[in-house]
Amino acid sequence: SQTIHQWPATLVQPVGSPLSLECTVEGTSNPNLYWYRQAAGRGLQLLFYSVGIGQISSEVPQNLSASRPQDRQFILSSKKLLLSDSGFYLCAWSLGGGQIYEQYFGPGTRLTVT
Amino acid sequence: DAKTTQPTSMDCAEGRAANLPCNHSTISGNEYVYWYRQIHSQGPQYIIHGLKNNETNEMASLIITEDRKSSTLILPHATLRDTAVYYCISHSGNTPLVFGKGTRLSVIA
Repeated sequence: SQTIHQWPATLVQPVGSPLSLECTVEGTSNPNLYWYRQAAGRGLQLLFYSVGIGQISSEVPQNLSASRPQDRQFILSSKKLLLSDSGFYLCAWSLGGGQIYEQYFGPGTRLTVT
Repeated sequence: DAKTTQPTSMDCAEGRAANLPCNHSTISGNEYVYWYRQIHSQGPQYIIHGLKNNETNEMASLIITEDRKSSTLILPHATLRDTAVYYCISHSGNTPLVFGKGTRLSVIA
């Protein structure tokens, strides 16, 4: 069966510090991978998605970046965090190719920028 | 993807059926209707999807009108654990799902 891992679960970082969130998927190959963010009391915002190694599509201009160094690894980074980067970060995967039927979400990372 | 419209919030008594409506009047012929839910502090969870026919699984039933302009998600016997935000999404192809604001369902004992 497939599982998706995210870490850390919670993170408190000062403004201006760097960020690295990691997501890995087990039990499947060539998945589509996604990063979403949910600010407090707000809806889910798609940040990045990837259909393959090194292929990243950015949905929203911001100070965040994403990388996919391996087939089942997706990393979200920032060089300098802003207060507005606080939120609940969710990684998700779906089967690659063709119609997407289901996206499977990880447990999330709750980031607080102070 | 077509825009969907859902009520902001709904209440349902425990043990009763919860009927969550969704309007998708501009849905195109190849777009599916998906339902997800998000329990507090968790990631969204897939519930069900359909194209034209009504669908049922172990979690819920999906009723799609004949003109496909609206649908209803039915939780037949709501429990307190069904309290969550429910998202209705119309979508086709292999691009990411876009989540709206959803309906906040509160199941009341």
